[in-house]
Parts: sequence; C-alpha cells; structure tokens
Amino acid sequence: TQLLEQSPQFLSIQEGENLTVYCNSSSVFSSLQWYRQEPGEGPVLLVTVVTGGEVKKLKRLTFQFGDARKDSSLHITAAQPGDTGLYLCAGSSSGTYKYIFGTGTRLKVLA
Amino acid sequence: DAGVTQSPTHLIKTRGQHVTLRCSPISGHKSVSWYQQVLGQGPQFIFQYYEKEERGRGNFPDRFSARQFPNYSSELNVNALLLGDSALYLCASRSGLALPYEQYFGPGTRLTVT
Repeated sequence: TQLLEQSPQFLSIQEGENLTVYCNSSSVFSSLQWYRQEPGEGPVLLVTVVTGGEVKKLKRLTFQFGDARKDSSLHITAAQPGDTGLYLCAGSSSGTYKYIFGTGTRLKVLA
Repeated sequence: DAGVTQSPTHLIKTRGQHVTLRCSPISGHKSVSWYQQVLGQGPQFIFQYYEKEERGRGNFPDRFSARQFPNYSSELNVNALLLGDSALYLCASRSGLALPYEQYFGPGTRLTVT
C-alpha cells in the first residue's frame, strides 16, 4: 500500500519566518504534486514535479523532488498570513490513475 | 475559462437515503476523478473515469458508484448513506492520462448525513 506521510502535521509561525514541509514515502512516484487548500474549498494545484532531483520555484515557494522520487519538500521563505492553509502533497505512479494524498500540513502564519 | 464545477455545494441527507453528486470538468478535459475528504484528512481516491470508462477504483464499498457522460461530465452516486459518509466530495479533471498527470479540483460538495 502506498502511503505519503507529511511532517509536521501542524505549524504555527510568525510572519517573516521560513519553513519547510516534508512529504515522504517508501514508494516511487512518477509524478508528485503540491496543493494548498482553504477551509471548505477544493485543493488548488501549486506545482507538479516529475524528474528526480527537480527543483521548482513559485515566488517565495521552492519545491524539490527527491533523487529517488520517493520524497519531496516545500520551502516557504518569509511566510505571510496569506500562506495560511492546508498543504497537501499527492503522488501518482506510472500505470495507475489515482493520486495518493499525504496526511496534510496545516500552516498558520501569524501577523 | 470556467474551472471544474460541482453541484450542489451543500447537501443534508438522512441515513439510508441515496445521493447524486455532479461534476463538470474543465473544457477539453476528458478525465474525471472523485475523492472523499473527511474533516482533518487528505482526500481519498474513489473513482477515475476517462473517455466514459472506469479506469481506477479506490477502496470504497459497492454503495459508491459513478459514471461519465458523452460530454465528459460525471455523477457520483452513494446508496444507503451512513453517518460516516459525511465528508467533502471533490471532483478533479485532467486532460488525459499521460505525464505529468496534472489534475485540477472543483470546490467540492459538502455532504452531511444525519
């Protein structure tokens, strides 16, 4: 059974601080995505990574896919209150059509 | 361009009843997936449809069924509702089955079973 574990589960930080969220699995994924979800809404796609070792940047967010394509990290620089939300990673394996979602990291950035 | 749309936004049902949820994918997208998200957890995969055929099924009981129509919209049906079926039901669309497998979610339908 494929599992994606995220850490930490909860994070409360002050505006301006940096943070890193981790997404780990014992399984290899062909594609890994990061989403942010607001309460009562659907997840919003932030980035997709497909190549081992790949690094993508989206403004203050930096995403990295592990060399072995089993793990990923999301780093936020100078966090802002607007970054508050539930961050989810999701992986998909070649030959299957489903995404396995991680347990989620709930981030709160205090002004 | 319109994103993924879902209806209704909220729904309250009683145990034992049946419910139908609807989803329209992004224009041009041929694949629709359904997920169940219980409060405090990540979404759990229920079904995926591509070109009107079921391509994947998650670990859900037979009370859950779905179908995709010629216009690529989809319905999720749940029979004999249980209290544990209370959740946010999410629909996601993607253009095809090839890498990078990007999918886009709708706002969800909040189902409450009493």
